[in-house]
Amino acid sequence: SSELTQDPAVSVALGQTVRITCQGDSLRSYYASWYQQKPGQAPVLVIYGKNNRPSGIPDRFSGSNSGNTASLTVSGAQAEDEGDYYCSSRDSSGNHLVFGGGTELTVL
Amino acid sequence: QVQVVQSGAEVKKPGASVKVSCKASGYAFTGYYMHWVRQAPGQGLEWMGWINPNSGDTNYAQKFQGRVTMTRDTSISTAYMELSRLRSDDTAMYYCARGPDWLSRSVYMDVWGKGTTVTVSS
Repeated sequence: SSELTQDPAVSVALGQTVRITCQGDSLRSYYASWYQQKPGQAPVLVIYGKNNRPSGIPDRFSGSNSGNTASLTVSGAQAEDEGDYYCSSRDSSGNHLVFGGGTELTVL
Repeated sequence: QVQVVQSGAEVKKPGASVKVSCKASGYAFTGYYMHWVRQAPGQGLEWMGWINPNSGDTNYAQKFQGRVTMTRDTSISTAYMELSRLRSDDTAMYYCARGPDWLSRSVYMDVWGKGTTVTVSS
């Protein structure tokens, strides 16, 4: 089992807001990064650090942190936002990296 | 443009080794760490480790200690990941991905290769 816990699946109506969460003790000390992966494609970084978006990522993606939980919010979800989302951060020792189990986002 | 290009698909027999390459271009190869991540069919992402191309230092996930070796050739801006004693459950897509300084409070991977399929089958 992963040291970072994500809900397996989440759905959102088109144009609505959805929050995907990631829980783990290491998140009290380290930021999470978030990756979007579509079928047959490599992951794409969407959020990193406190709340930073790489160039080309729409501003409807945002990140936040509270205690042992990191969240990825998609405000005004679009059909193209469907896919799997993974969080990642250091493990509890701080020496290695771990991924959450992933959340499948469906836009209805 | 900034990119990392991986070597082609591999088919190996159980017990063999595989070596995957990852060629960087468009940025200073020694200025960023290179991570390796794998994904078994229908499964999630699994971090394998990183190499610091500048120093050659490596950091492997506990699961792969003793079976994985990450190296680099700075003259051709290429990182390598070799996995030995292959088993059927090593069948997966293997990705290399660029990351910033490991000492940062925020560790992330911002440039990913397209992946290399490794199939282990007798």
